[in-house]
Amino acid sequence: EVQLVQSGAEVKKPGESLKISCRGSGYSFTSYWIGWVRQMPGKGLEWMGIIYPGDSDTRYSPSFQGQVTISADKSTSTAYLQWSSLKASDTAMYYCARGASSSWYGDYWGQGTLVSVSS
Amino acid sequence: DIQMTQSPSSLSASVGDRVTITCRASRYISSYLSWYQRKPGKAPKLLIYAASSLQSGVPSRFSGGGSGTDFTLTISSLQPEDFATYYCQQSYSTPNTFGQGTKLEIK
Repeated sequence: EVQLVQSGAEVKKPGESLKISCRGSGYSFTSYWIGWVRQMPGKGLEWMGIIYPGDSDTRYSPSFQGQVTISADKSTSTAYLQWSSLKASDTAMYYCARGASSSWYGDYWGQGTLVSVSS
Repeated sequence: DIQMTQSPSSLSASVGDRVTITCRASRYISSYLSWYQRKPGKAPKLLIYAASSLQSGVPSRFSGGGSGTDFTLTISSLQPEDFATYYCQQSYSTPNTFGQGTKLEIK
């Protein structure tokens, strides 16, 4: 069974760093792309970027380029989304999802990680 | 970026109704269009990919159509579990943008 399991909810202060995770199982982790999608409170879905764990090829939305870092560890079948300095506006639910190609759409999704940033 | 515009933004319908949601791309995207269903507190669920291909396990009352810039998601006979928010997404070029969503409510 394909599963993507994300790390738990986080409560952080502005300026702090954070790395959330998404562990894949039940399929060949290095053969599928992993995408990250943001949903801010009361808003729609936003595509942040994707990574191919097989070779770490990474594509970012211009809206998120330089704001976050997407990475993957083949040895643990885990993808990551990282911030070096959080802002209050990063408060959102973040989802990871698997896609079969760089023309990405998510066929299996993680349960989401809620990130709350407040002073 | 390619902009995806859904209409309507919200829709009231009754169980058994046939409903259609439209999605328009700001430029040509061939058939690189997917549809998702999202319920409160749950992750999005893929319904349709490649504009008209039904994802495994999705009921056949859901269907997708269109190509180029104009696309539709049709639910042939609404069931109580279909009341949710629906999103389209293009995967023709990065960033693979989503539409703003269509909230389907019970009349």
